[in-house]
Amino acid sequence: NAGVTQTPKFQVLKTGQSMTLQCAQDMNHEYMSWYRQDPGMGLRLIHYSVGAGITDQGEVPNGYNVSRSTTEDFPLRLLSAAPSQTSVYFCASSVTPGTGANVLTFGAGSRLTVL
Amino acid sequence: GQNIDQPTEMTATEGAIVQINCTYQTSGFNGLFWYQQHAGEAPTFLSYNVLDGLEEKGRFSSFLSRSKGYSYLLLKELQMKDSASYLCAFMDSNYQLIWGAGTKLIIKP
Repeated sequence: NAGVTQTPKFQVLKTGQSMTLQCAQDMNHEYMSWYRQDPGMGLRLIHYSVGAGITDQGEVPNGYNVSRSTTEDFPLRLLSAAPSQTSVYFCASSVTPGTGANVLTFGAGSRLTVL
Repeated sequence: GQNIDQPTEMTATEGAIVQINCTYQTSGFNGLFWYQQHAGEAPTFLSYNVLDGLEEKGRFSSFLSRSKGYSYLLLKELQMKDSASYLCAFMDSNYQLIWGAGTKLIIKP
């Protein structure tokens, strides 16, 4: 049982390049989400999904795309990288959305630098 | 509007007790979470409170007062491995989490 697996752990991009951060979970969780974490700020929700085929925007969706074709996978695509997207990205999942006791399991994080 | 606040950094001594406070404002509330995050690692779940009062889990306890918009995390018998950031987050009326910036706890021998 691997939990939530994110790849890559580190990535350096040039401005304007595109890339995909991969996220996979093997816990059969319905809910999956992407956060970014920046110094001095709380985790900010980028996009989330409450099940296969369903995605929605979070607080900071601009510049990012997601899809959820299977329960297990939730990739995050950066369309045209900008220095403002330099951050640590976390994928997180939970059993059931829309409940109070919605404990998140996080992946190890992906540190992205955009030059 | 919604907001959440916690101290940026705290220092404590090994073996002592420390209380990390968290205050929040929201019109809809579905519980408050505490997560621990060691440097360079992912956050991990510590506690969840939805009713007023104290929840105890070993050396860690978490308290909630909904009327005051206030929570605290109490860590007893501090160990060096407790050096980490502690993230407070409340769940709003849409079941979305609103996160504080985290409190970096430094433990000194």
